[in-house]
Amino acid sequence: AQSVTQLDSHVSVSEGTPVLLRCNYSSSYSPSLFWYVQHPNKGLQLLLKYTSAATLVKGINGFEAEFKKSETSFHLTKPSAHMSDAAEYFCVVTESSSNDYKLSFGAGTTVTVRA
Amino acid sequence: EAGVAQSPRYKIIEKRQSVAFWCNPISGHATLYWYQQILGQGPKLLIQFQNNGVVDDSQLPKDRFSAERLKGVDSTLKIQPAKLEDSAVYLCASSLAGEETQYFGPGTRLLVL
Repeated sequence: AQSVTQLDSHVSVSEGTPVLLRCNYSSSYSPSLFWYVQHPNKGLQLLLKYTSAATLVKGINGFEAEFKKSETSFHLTKPSAHMSDAAEYFCVVTESSSNDYKLSFGAGTTVTVRA
Repeated sequence: EAGVAQSPRYKIIEKRQSVAFWCNPISGHATLYWYQQILGQGPKLLIQFQNNGVVDDSQLPKDRFSAERLKGVDSTLKIQPAKLEDSAVYLCASSLAGEETQYFGPGTRLLVL
């Protein structure tokens, strides 16, 4: 069975400072991992995904994430936060043991950005 | 490329009433998903379609929830009768057949009073 734990329910940063959102996963097979962002009253937007290629994955809007198998982690970072980064972020895992992909979502991390 | 469309965006009903949500996936996407997102939680899968067939509806409360995708394109999700605990955002997503990346619509926010 697969699952995801997002270690922080809320992260607050100042504009221009780094952002770190922590995610640990559990998976029986080779996992694919995603980060999605959800702005208020908007749908989920894919930030980036890891699918067993390079362990450092670059996404949109300056975000990147590093897959660490030994730590079962997939933390999301951004060097410099912008006000528009204020949103809910979800870490997601899926197992590619078949063509039937089921996403398991973390509980989410709310990011607030202080001016 | 047009994204996943959902309507209505917001709905307020009283308990025991019925409600229906509509989803139009990205053109060419054979797989369609309905998720329920309760406030403060991540989305949870309700049902998955491949074309017009159900792949997984194990988490769908079938005594009150139903969904269909008759022509393998648009889909509707219905709740009858609604309960207070059904208040949530209902998200529709689609993907190409055999692809793991899902694309989400804006969701329908349901409030049951």
